[in-house]
Formats: sequence, structure tokens, C-alpha cells
Amino acid sequence: LAKTTQPISMDSYEGQEVNITCSHNNIATNDYITWYQQFPSQGPRFIIQGYKTKVTNEVASLFIPADRKSSTLSLPRVSLSDTAVYYCLVGGLYNDMRFGAGTRLTVKP
Amino acid sequence: DTGVSQNPRHKITKRGQNVTFRCDPISEHNRLYWYRQTLGQGPEFLTYFQNEAQLEKSRLLSDRFSAERPKGSFSTLEIQRTEQGDSAMYLCASSEPGTRYVETQYFGPGTRLLVL
Repeated sequence: LAKTTQPISMDSYEGQEVNITCSHNNIATNDYITWYQQFPSQGPRFIIQGYKTKVTNEVASLFIPADRKSSTLSLPRVSLSDTAVYYCLVGGLYNDMRFGAGTRLTVKP
Repeated sequence: DTGVSQNPRHKITKRGQNVTFRCDPISEHNRLYWYRQTLGQGPEFLTYFQNEAQLEKSRLLSDRFSAERPKGSFSTLEIQRTEQGDSAMYLCASSEPGTRYVETQYFGPGTRLLVL
């Protein structure tokens, strides 16, 4: 299983762009990269998923370099409501869905 | 609301009692997962169903834990003879048939268990 490493915590201010990088040196050819967001006392919520290059949706962008050994979740113009824990997962099928401790993002006014 | 639902949302029980949680997945999803999450940690995989078949069980799922998914619809997770260490958030997720290599899981709100 590809192991992921991401910062334990990050602080930002409202209106700023936040980039959270995840390292996954042992990513396999068939592995996808998926990010989830979790608020306190709620289940994780799917944010974005990608395989290579750049993926963008209405919430975030995901940048994946050519070697795929890392990925960066980009949240544009964060607000207080983006304060949450963000998880990076590498894999695809159920047996790869191993969550780490995630990155705790705190957005300050 | 057509998301994943879990009941109850909160459960307080005394050590040694049995508890049962229910998960109703998104209707067209054939895969269903159970996770456990303790404070400050990410969710830990417990077990997985494809339709009614339980295909994978984590070593975290001791003999006191049992999960069922009759008829491939809702699922129940039962904990017998609860211990204080069972106190956690129990999360259910479901996913639709995806490609061969990737799927997206949709999580319910969780059931928070406190064992006194």
C-alpha cells in the first residue's frame, strides 16, 4: 500500500489560497489520489480525485506532477467554514482506503 | 436527502452491554463499508460488503463485532459485551460500481458510541 505523508496542521487566513501537499513516493501505476474533508462530528466528504496533471472542480484543484510522487490540494480563497481536517488517500479500491491522521487546517479571520 | 444515513447518531451504554448500529447506504450503491474513528485519528477500516457478501474484515474487528447486510441493502454493526475501548465514532460509507481501479466513497454522519 502506498503510504502518504502530509503536514499535521496548517493555519491560514480568510481569503487566502491554501495548498496542502501530500507525499506518496510508493504510488503504484493504478493508484488514484483522493482527498476528503472532515468537519468535527461528521463523516468525511469527498473533495476531489485525480490520476495525473491537474483536476479542478467547483471546490478545489488537485495538482499532480509527472512522477506522481506527490500531490497538492489547492483551496482558493478559503473561508472560516473551510476549517476542517483534510485527508489524502492513495489507492483505488476498498482495500486501499487507508486514512492517515490528515492535515488539520485552521482558517483565521 | 438521498445520502448515507446512520442510526442512532449517539449511543451511551454500560460496559458489557450489546449495541447495534444501522447504516442505510445510497440506494444504487452496491458497496458498503464500516470504519471506526477515535479522537484525533483518521477513520480505520473495519469491514466491507459488496451487495450482501462480506468480503473483507480488518483485524480490528474482533469476535465481539459482527456486521451483516441482508439483501444487500441496509447494514448493521453489532458489538457484543462492549468495552470502554470501543468508545469511538462508527462511520458507514457506500460507493457505486466504478471503474476497475477507483471508486469514491460517500460517508454517513456516523454513530458516536460512549461506553461507560
